[in-house]
Amino acid sequence: QSVLTQPPSVSAAPGQKVTISCSGSSSNIGSNFVSWYQQLPGTAPKLLFYGNNKRPSGIPDRFSGSKSGTSATLGITGLQTGDEADYYCGTWDSNLSVWVFGGGTRLTVL
Amino acid sequence: QLRLQESGPGLVKPSETLSLTCTVSGDSISSSSYYWGWIRQPPGKGLEWIGSIYYSGSTYYNPSLKSRVTILVDTSKNQFSLKLSSVTAADTAVYYCARLIGGSGSFDYWGQGTLVTVSS
Repeated sequence: QSVLTQPPSVSAAPGQKVTISCSGSSSNIGSNFVSWYQQLPGTAPKLLFYGNNKRPSGIPDRFSGSKSGTSATLGITGLQTGDEADYYCGTWDSNLSVWVFGGGTRLTVL
Repeated sequence: QLRLQESGPGLVKPSETLSLTCTVSGDSISSSSYYWGWIRQPPGKGLEWIGSIYYSGSTYYNPSLKSRVTILVDTSKNQFSLKLSSVTAADTAVYYCARLIGGSGSFDYWGQGTLVTVSS
């Protein structure tokens, strides 16, 4: 059972938009920065966002990140088949003293 | 370009100690801006942070694994290592090493990962 809650799966058609939620608490998302990671099949996770909404160089602006209170959201517009992957949110939990990740959300581009 | 590469045995017997090394290239592990960490992913499951280390040797571990984990750094070789003792089948996972930006709390560079299977 993950400390951060994500939907197990989301799906949308090519060209459409999708959002992935990440729900936590005051001890993690509510008081610390959120990161997002993309894990393509058979590969290592790749950083998509840090500091809630900052994109590393090379990440297209089709991807967006936001945080409000104890929840965070990853948005992807103009979906491409190459976006099919598992997406994870992550942050520090100040009560548990541990870096925590969501359970992951599998994106299917139909 | 920063690269991280995990190395170590792919098969460990139950009750024995899992040992992995992460070799960092393209930057010095002694950079004051970063921590270095280990994260694992059991087959078909999510990510679990194991622990992190600073170039000075300062460490912090996941409390759920703390009694079995040791992370060390060797700045002369630009490497850091993981030892996990008394392993069971539940420790079977892909183990990743990664660089941690402490300020933003993100793992920005990852190794390709190495599968470690615990089996007799």
